[in-house]
Amino acid sequence: AQRVTQPEKLLSVFKGAPVELKCNYSYSGSPELFWYVQYSRQRLQLLLRHISRESIKGFTADLNKGETSFHLKKPFAQEEDSAMYYCAAYGYSTLTFGKGTMLLVSP
Amino acid sequence: DADVTQTPRNRITKTGKRIMLECSQTKGHDRMYWYRQDPGLGLRLIYYSFDVKDINKGEISDGYSVSRQAQAKFSLSLESAIPNQTALYFCATSQQRGTNTGELFFGEGSRLTVL
Repeated sequence: AQRVTQPEKLLSVFKGAPVELKCNYSYSGSPELFWYVQYSRQRLQLLLRHISRESIKGFTADLNKGETSFHLKKPFAQEEDSAMYYCAAYGYSTLTFGKGTMLLVSP
Repeated sequence: DADVTQTPRNRITKTGKRIMLECSQTKGHDRMYWYRQDPGLGLRLIYYSFDVKDINKGEISDGYSVSRQAQAKFSLSLESAIPNQTALYFCATSQQRGTNTGELFFGEGSRLTVL
């Protein structure tokens, strides 16, 4: 069965510190990987996807098929990055989410 | 702006009551989904539909039913609500074709409390 694992429930850092939110997946075939973000009192929205290989709001994520990982990284965290982050994998016509990691960036 | 709208936004009910959550979208998307969000459990798929005549069970469909009344409308029903169905429910849509099928557009959520 497809599975997405986010090992950290909470990640707390200071402003300006580097951030890495971990995501591992277990899928047969080649799924598409995504990161979604949910800011306080806002709806869940797409942050980035691996096929675009883009940087959004300073975040990047590299798909490592050997390690089956898709970690989300930002070199210098900002207070406005505080949110719930979900890693997700698309395969078999549906999107499977991890349990999410809450990122708290303190001043 | 094209949007995904859920009603009601908040609902408190009692055990055994029938509840319907409604979702409508103006995005013109064929695919619609219902997820529930629980603290520490993330989002789990309840049901999904790829067109009006297509309904599929997700990971946690027991205790729920759905109806796709039109391309733009997808409702979720709890026939006899129980307390462990207390959660935040999200409706989402996506395109059917191309490279964007994994990009979901979410509604604002419906918070359901079952006493």
